[in-house]
Amino acid sequence: QPVLTQPPSASASLGASVTLTCTLSSGYSNYMVDWYQQRPGKGPRFVMRVGTGGIVGSKGDGIPDRFSVLGSGLNRYLTIKNIQEEDESDYHCGADHGSGSNAFYVFGPGTKVTVL
Amino acid sequence: EVQLVESGGVVIQPGGSLRLSCAASGFTFHDYAMHWVRQAPGKGLEWVSLITWDGGSAYYVDSVKGRFTISRDNSKNSLYLQMNSLTTEDTAFYYCAKPRAIGARFDYFDSWGQGALVTVSS
Repeated sequence: QPVLTQPPSASASLGASVTLTCTLSSGYSNYMVDWYQQRPGKGPRFVMRVGTGGIVGSKGDGIPDRFSVLGSGLNRYLTIKNIQEEDESDYHCGADHGSGSNAFYVFGPGTKVTVL
Repeated sequence: EVQLVESGGVVIQPGGSLRLSCAASGFTFHDYAMHWVRQAPGKGLEWVSLITWDGGSAYYVDSVKGRFTISRDNSKNSLYLQMNSLTTEDTAFYYCAKPRAIGARFDYFDSWGQGALVTVSS
């Protein structure tokens, strides 16, 4: 089954850019990954889905244009440009796996983004 | 507007049982599979369980198999999670989540509830 790896933290100064990485375990380079934002004390919110060709489908409701994604090899990236205070959140990546009775969804450990 | 509202979170002793509920509105509930996802305090998200749109099939993460049972009542637009033999490892916020696509077991989760806190402690 795939394992998703994320660095525990990232930071950027107000107005700067930050790129978050979600790395799939070996053998899963064709997998799409879903990004979620979770503000303090709130439930998660879908940001967008990314494959090796970039965004798959549409962004989540209310996700600003400052958010973009890229995919390369085993890595799936979420970039936030012109970062704002409201972007300070935990960001989780996830992916579904398997079929039939052996299907499930797996999440990475999450990255805490701090706006300096 | 889609709304998912969890209820039933409490403090409970190890070995106890609990049923969580999720009230859904703003979409055609019986068209969608539904999921439970949990998050231990200060930790990452963990997918727990899935039930198909008609309740005919259910899937679980290994750590809860045999202890948790997911169910739904489409006439009441409600999702449930029966949790038995609880341990301290089950302490978490429990979120119900809706996948994007009609009928799909798995898709990205485009709507989430606010979560219900289950604390297992003696």
